[in-house]
Amino acid sequence: DAGVTQSPTHLIKTRGQQVTLRCSPKSGHDTVSWYQQALGQGPQFIFQYYEEEERQRGNFPDRFSGHQFPNYSSELNVNALLLGDSALYLCASRTRGGLQYFGPGTRLTVT
Amino acid sequence: KNEVEQSPQNLTAQEGEFITINCSYSVGISALHWLQQHPGGGIVSLFMLSSGKKKHGRLIATINIQEKHSSLHITASHPRDSAVYICAVRFGGSEKLVFGKGTKLTVNP
Repeated sequence: DAGVTQSPTHLIKTRGQQVTLRCSPKSGHDTVSWYQQALGQGPQFIFQYYEEEERQRGNFPDRFSGHQFPNYSSELNVNALLLGDSALYLCASRTRGGLQYFGPGTRLTVT
Repeated sequence: KNEVEQSPQNLTAQEGEFITINCSYSVGISALHWLQQHPGGGIVSLFMLSSGKKKHGRLIATINIQEKHSSLHITASHPRDSAVYICAVRFGGSEKLVFGKGTKLTVNP
């Protein structure tokens, strides 16, 4: 079991560009959450997907959108990138009510 | 307001010492997680608690629902335990985790 995997591991983008980050949940997990962790800060909840629907959303603008596929994998899309979007983006998966497992993260740098 | 407070912010110990990290939260929860984050970013889930106590190797986590408080203990600490330990809480009715600011633990040989 590979656990939660994320791609890419690192990414450099320019202001105004768009980015797509990918997450494959741990085998047997159907719920995927995305978090943003700025340098020196704790992770902040972006949104959660279950049964291909966004179930809950944190305090992030509409530039942040996502998708969950029938195989439970998920994408995070960020449009019109800002310098402040530079962060570590973490994906976590679980079964409903289960322990949350985190992926290694994608480090996004916006220049 | 749903808040999570951790203490201490930084902790330095000598190898072999008993470590305690504390977490307090503001309102009723459905679950509390203890997480470990090493430099470079990867987060490992250590425990999920809703009541009582859990033990895994040298790690022990306890929670007191009435006092809205949890502790993470590390017995016989080792330099490889050096990491940031984060308390994260799922408040009742919510799916998201709210994270504490973390405790940076350094264990010296």
